[in-house]
Amino acid sequence: EDQVTQSPEALRLQEGESSSLNCSYTVSGLRGLFWYRQDPGKGPEFLFTLYSAGEEKEKERLKATLTKKESFLHITAPKPEDSATYLCAVTSGGSYIPTFGRGTSLIVHP
Amino acid sequence: KAGVTQTPRYLIKTRGQQVTLSCSPISGHRSVSWYQQTPGQGLQFLFEYFSETQRNKGNFPGRFSGRQFSNSRSEMNVSTLELGDSALYLCASSLVASGDLDNEQFFGPGTRLTVL
Repeated sequence: EDQVTQSPEALRLQEGESSSLNCSYTVSGLRGLFWYRQDPGKGPEFLFTLYSAGEEKEKERLKATLTKKESFLHITAPKPEDSATYLCAVTSGGSYIPTFGRGTSLIVHP
Repeated sequence: KAGVTQTPRYLIKTRGQQVTLSCSPISGHRSVSWYQQTPGQGLQFLFEYFSETQRNKGNFPGRFSGRQFSNSRSEMNVSTLELGDSALYLCASSLVASGDLDNEQFFGPGTRLTVL
């Protein structure tokens, strides 16, 4: 059974204070690792898909990286509008059903 | 391009009733997946439909069912509602089926179901 653990559960940053969110996973043959952003009262918004260890993707202040056991979402010089819950999900070769982590709630103070 | 739409946005039902939720995917998308999101369990996969066929099903009781129409619109039905069914039900559409590369899912705003 695929497992996804995200840490920390909550993170408070000052504007401009860079940090990283962690997504640790246990799967039988990773097919894809997905990052989403979810704002209160809205559905998740797709950010990145990573497929193999060593892969990196960037979008504005966000950068996602992948190893064989975990993924990091690096946030550089965050702004208050980056405040949201960030979700990580995996699909594996054994099952195409995505397994989501519980998310990291990020608050960026001005 | 219009996003994923879900109706209704809010719904209040009582135990024992049944409910039908609707999802219209992004134009051209043939895959529709349904998820349940609760504070206690997080986001959990219910089922996926692709070209009117159910491809995958999560670990939910048979009270939860769905279908997809030829225009890719999908409905989800929950019969004999229980208090624990109170949740945000999210629909996501994708151009390709699950398991295919680049299966980027685009979520709708969700339907907030409250069971009293």
